Amino acid sequence: SQTIHQWPATLVQPVGSPLSLECTVEGTSNPNLYWYRQAAGRGLQLLFYSVGIGQISSEVPQNLSASRPQDRQFILSSKKLLLSDSGFYLCAWSGRQGANSPLHFGNGTRLTVT
Amino acid sequence: AQKVTQAQTEISVVEKEDVTLDCVYETRDTTYYLFWYKQPPSGELVFLIRRNSFDEQNEISGRYSWNFQKSTSSFNFTITASQVVDSAVYFCALSGYGNNRLAFGKGNQVVVIP
Repeated sequence: SQTIHQWPATLVQPVGSPLSLECTVEGTSNPNLYWYRQAAGRGLQLLFYSVGIGQISSEVPQNLSASRPQDRQFILSSKKLLLSDSGFYLCAWSGRQGANSPLHFGNGTRLTVT
Repeated sequence: AQKVTQAQTEISVVEKEDVTLDCVYETRDTTYYLFWYKQPPSGELVFLIRRNSFDEQNEISGRYSWNFQKSTSSFNFTITASQVVDSAVYFCALSGYGNNRLAFGKGNQVVVIP
């Protein structure tokens, strides 16, 4: 069966520090991968998605970036965090069989920027 | 642009009562998909159901049921005989055909009181 791992679960970082969140998927190949952010009291906002290694699409301009160095690895990064980067970050994957396969989410990383 | 509106922010019910969550969507696509996800306190999003725009047949799955009405652009979700384990945030989401970039509503916090 497919599983998705995301870490760390929680993170407290000072403003201006770098960020690296990692997500890996097991049990499937060539998945679509996504990074979403959930701010307090708001819905989920799509940040990045990837249809293959090295292929990244950004939905919202910001000081975050994403990379996909391997087929089942997706990394969210920042060189300098802002207070507004605080939130709950969720990685997700979807298969390619059929149109609009459901997204399957990881357990999330709660980031607090102080 | 696609938009999902979930008007009610928090809904409290006593255990065994029914609870209905409203979802209204906007899209210019003629083919699209609608989803409901559940987010328990642990944080991960759990996929519940997917419906395409050509399938208006309503469905019952255990204590869950869905009412899709294309004429009013609504995709409502009902929990029958609620239980404490149903306490969670429920998200309605929308995507265009062949496009897994989901647009989420802001979610409904459901609190089931024992």
